[in-house]
Amino acid sequence: EAGVAQSPRYKIIEKRQSVAFWCNPISGHATLYWYQQILGQGPKLLIQFQNNGVVDDSQLPKDRFSAERLKGVDSTLKIQPAKLEDSAVYLCASSLLQGPYEQYFGPGTRLTVT
Amino acid sequence: AQSVAQPEDQVNVAEGNPLTVKCTYSVSGNPYLFWYVQYPNRGLQFLLKYITGDNLVKGSYGFEAEFNKSQTSFHLKKPSALVSDSALYFCAGHTGGFKTIFGAGTRLFVKA
Repeated sequence: EAGVAQSPRYKIIEKRQSVAFWCNPISGHATLYWYQQILGQGPKLLIQFQNNGVVDDSQLPKDRFSAERLKGVDSTLKIQPAKLEDSAVYLCASSLLQGPYEQYFGPGTRLTVT
Repeated sequence: AQSVAQPEDQVNVAEGNPLTVKCTYSVSGNPYLFWYVQYPNRGLQFLLKYITGDNLVKGSYGFEAEFNKSQTSFHLKKPSALVSDSALYFCAGHTGGFKTIFGAGTRLFVKA
């Protein structure tokens, strides 16, 4: 079974530039999550999709971050414009459904904003 | 506010000794609790979960965890630590599948 795929693995940009991350979840998984993990902290949920609908985006800085999962499969997270404090690892995860199901994580994208 | 706390930044244990990584939670309703492990340069991996039923749950790589409702704890344990268990461990929880909350993580060092 293929795991969660993410790209790119690394990205370095200057502040005020834009960046996009891509995630392809495990086939058949209805729920997709984007997390931000700042060094030394646990992952923080940015947005959660159930199929192509948003379940929770309460911690997504909507003035600069956006995410979509148009066909209920892969997803894109965008930052525009980036700030220095956006430097982090962005993790994508998927689970079979919402509820008592474990999440499967991709390798993450390490973003450095200079 | 809902939260998951891991009170220890780091745990050191000698190989062959039992290990415990602590987690406490404050989650409304009946919690779903999880442990994940993160090895260097690798993504988070699921270890085990508590949903309901038996308070002692067993997971991957010989790990187990005990759910204690009165103490609101979900400590991760292993009877005999291996050097290869050295990694970053995260406790996580949610209710009803919404907004999973992760602890800050505990780094486990197992010394040979």
